[in-house]
Amino acid sequence: QQQVKQSPQSLIVQKGGISIINCAYENTAFDYFPWYQQFPGKGPALLIAIRPDVSEKKEGRFTISFNKSAKQFSLHIMDSQPGDSATYFCAARTLSNFGNEKLTFGTGTRLTIIP
Amino acid sequence: NAGVTQTPKFQVLKTGQSMTLQCAQDMNHNSMYWYRQDPGMGLRLIYYSASEGTTDKGEVPNGYNVSRLNKREFSLRLESAAPSQTSVYFCASIMGSRYYEQYFGPGTRLTVT
Repeated sequence: QQQVKQSPQSLIVQKGGISIINCAYENTAFDYFPWYQQFPGKGPALLIAIRPDVSEKKEGRFTISFNKSAKQFSLHIMDSQPGDSATYFCAARTLSNFGNEKLTFGTGTRLTIIP
Repeated sequence: NAGVTQTPKFQVLKTGQSMTLQCAQDMNHNSMYWYRQDPGMGLRLIYYSASEGTTDKGEVPNGYNVSRLNKREFSLRLESAAPSQTSVYFCASIMGSRYYEQYFGPGTRLTVT
């Protein structure tokens, strides 16, 4: 049972272009939506995150767009650079009654930026 | 400040062998997690520990056991390894539920033959 669906599985974008990765969820208990970036041989690292009470968050070239009614959110990378080539995971958080946090991850998108 | 460390980095096991993956964090975080990463499946939660002395199952706990030895250390044990457990294993930690970033270790690549 995949609670967070991510697409596309892989993406090739030219340098300077816009990279867009999409995620969708069903569980309305999710309360926080981070994106993680992973380089080969490394652990994932937090890139940017959004709470569902805002529709957009921008940090530099990275923007999250969030559509609560459609239960969808997406990552936009503007002016994509070869150094952005990595695997990107969307995630969604739930908190238990005891405040225990759990993240559910999407399946990942391998992004390649070509010169 | 090393963050989250994992040992070993690589391991090859034969079916039926046992081993323990070690994880330690030096950030005084309360919660720790074990994930496995498989191609096309993202990261799936195996077990987590919200605080010292507590552990809970995640999405894929079968075949694994964990120990939260103290606040710093959280180990994952495979009692009888199977080829289906071939994966990359990541440990992560977070200060607490009011904080948002999980910090991941560098991973352990495990192959079971």
